[in-house]
Amino acid sequence: EAGVAQSPRYKIIEKRQSVAFWCNPISGHATLYWYQQILGQGPKLLIQFQNNGVVDDSQLPKDRFSAERLKGVDSTLKIQPAKLEDSAVYLCASSSGLTHNEQFFGPGTRLTVL
Amino acid sequence: GEDVEQSLFLSVREGDSSVINCTYTDSSSTYLYWYKQEPGAGLQLLTYIFSNMDMKQDQRLTVLLNKKDKHLSLRIADTQTGDSAIYFCAVSLQTGANNLFFGTGTRLTVIP
Repeated sequence: EAGVAQSPRYKIIEKRQSVAFWCNPISGHATLYWYQQILGQGPKLLIQFQNNGVVDDSQLPKDRFSAERLKGVDSTLKIQPAKLEDSAVYLCASSSGLTHNEQFFGPGTRLTVL
Repeated sequence: GEDVEQSLFLSVREGDSSVINCTYTDSSSTYLYWYKQEPGAGLQLLTYIFSNMDMKQDQRLTVLLNKKDKHLSLRIADTQTGDSAIYFCAVSLQTGANNLFFGTGTRLTVIP
């Protein structure tokens, strides 16, 4: 079974630029999550999708962050414009929503904002 | 929300047992998880425990849950150098969107 795929793995941009990250979840997983992991901290949920609908985006800074999952499979997360404090690893996870709701994580995209 | 706390660092000698501790604040937590993160990699689920259990054993891993004190621990028996990583405690709540609240992570260093 293929895992959660993310790209790019690394991205360096200057502040005020835009950036987009892509995630392909495990096939058949209805639930998709985006987490932000700042260096030295645990991951923090940004947004959760159930199929193509948003379940929870209460922690998403909506003035600069946006995310979509148009066909209920792949998802993109965009930052526009980026700030220095957005430097972090952005993790995508997916789950089938069954039993104990195990979430499978991708390798992450490490973003550096200069 | 939920506050999840862990100590930042732990060093043990190869072959000894490691115990990583975690405390949380929300008593409605349902599932409690331990994830492992190696450098440059995503998070790997090690084990989990449901809130109506107080212990779970899985090979070298033992999870203990004290629901009254809201304390979770992960014991790794016969710790190996390959166990060196950051270990995250995470909890999900009974209500809400079922997302995970993570601790800050404990960096385990195994000394040969």
